[in-house]
Amino acid sequence: QKEVEQNSGPLSVPEGAIASLNCTYSDRVSQSFFWYRQYSGKSPELIMSIYSNGDKEDGRFTAQLNKASQYVSLLIRDSQPSDSATYLCAVNRANNDMRFGAGTRLTVKP
Amino acid sequence: DTAVSQTPKYLVTQMGNDKSIKCEQNLGHDTMYWYKQDSKKFLKIMFSYNNKELIINETVPNRFSPKSPDKAHLNLHINSLELGDSAVYFCASRAKSLGTTQYFGPGTRLTVL
Repeated sequence: QKEVEQNSGPLSVPEGAIASLNCTYSDRVSQSFFWYRQYSGKSPELIMSIYSNGDKEDGRFTAQLNKASQYVSLLIRDSQPSDSATYLCAVNRANNDMRFGAGTRLTVKP
Repeated sequence: DTAVSQTPKYLVTQMGNDKSIKCEQNLGHDTMYWYKQDSKKFLKIMFSYNNKELIINETVPNRFSPKSPDKAHLNLHINSLELGDSAVYFCASRAKSLGTTQYFGPGTRLTVL
């Protein structure tokens, strides 16, 4: 089992819709969870971090964490073409060892 | 005033050569990382240094040797380059006192011919 698993996509949604990205992780003691956005040819850019169970909202983005199910998700409301990118789920293990999923490629169609 | 910078941005070289990639951060962070991102976009940690001390050393060939002359710099030297080393290499940094968020450099695209 991979340490961090994501559906590679591509995920395609129409402009204005909600995009839902999912991630599961294997290490139960992980405490910190992140979503990074990576445009083609660019470096990963942090968009959300979440540390406790429940929802965390920041603008059009909502991260959801369920530690019992070892599940993290990212919702993007009112999706825009500029949201088209690869979204990387990252989980921080002990010793601040960050593990990344393979990423989900999102395309928002105008 | 880039926070995490890497040089060079592109590196094209022949198999068997030795090359170095440099990373510098001006954020005052105490922990730095090297990641490799392959053609399938999978981002994998290679090394981590905290205050010039190696704390994470994943299973990478010993042809790869990181060097941290001070807290602000973490360089990556690669000996005897192989075709499979072709990838994008990202440097990242973090301030331990400010949590676990990592900030990435722009990446170095290495192509081995």
